[in-house]
Amino acid sequence: IQMTQSPASLSASIGDRVSITCRASRTIKRYLNWYRQRPGKVPELLLYSTSNLHDGVPSRFSGSGYGTDFTLTINNLQPEDFATYYCQQTSTTPLTFGGGTKVDI
Amino acid sequence: EVQVVESGGALVQPGRSLRLSCVTSGFTFDDYAIHWVRQSPGKGLEWVSYISWNGGTIDYADSVKGRFTISRDNTKNSVYLQMNNLRVEDTALYHCTKDILPYCSGDCYIDYWGQGTPVTVAS
Repeated sequence: IQMTQSPASLSASIGDRVSITCRASRTIKRYLNWYRQRPGKVPELLLYSTSNLHDGVPSRFSGSGYGTDFTLTINNLQPEDFATYYCQQTSTTPLTFGGGTKVDI
Repeated sequence: EVQVVESGGALVQPGRSLRLSCVTSGFTFDDYAIHWVRQSPGKGLEWVSYISWNGGTIDYADSVKGRFTISRDNTKNSVYLQMNNLRVEDTALYHCTKDILPYCSGDCYIDYWGQGTPVTVAS
């Protein structure tokens, strides 16, 4: 299953609301996770199964979608949110990640 | 505290082999699946391989199938990745990661990542 993220990059400001889209080449039901990777750090889980916040993740992050089209929304963008975001499908192996979306200032 | 520590990365020539190791602590190792995920310099994440809690289910990315072998030793809280016939395109930082479930089937995700071990394939 191919995962396509858009946009590949975007520029935003502190306090902005941003949305990132992830599209699967065929249905993955709700089996879609989102990770954030800050520069020089390992990825960290934000949301699992489309819309479930991982422990400790702030509520400004939200996810939606089903089947092939998914969206990650970040409200009130904070300095630590300037990073690269990846979606990952876990519907079937081989598991696959999207190409990433870089959010910069 | 959960710890995931990889080792074994090195500079090798194309066609050679390498074995990566991953030692974990801080959780009940044989309750969880483990994945290897790699990241080429300046590139995105690529899922490489996965092994279920008891080694009964294993899978690989198409790009490494037939060349890489994953295994685990639950008595040593460890996972291994045997990489044969290495190619230049295998150059990456290899992360060992812990799944939330013993067997990845739909509702699985990675909750802990190791810092990675670098593999460079070059002549």
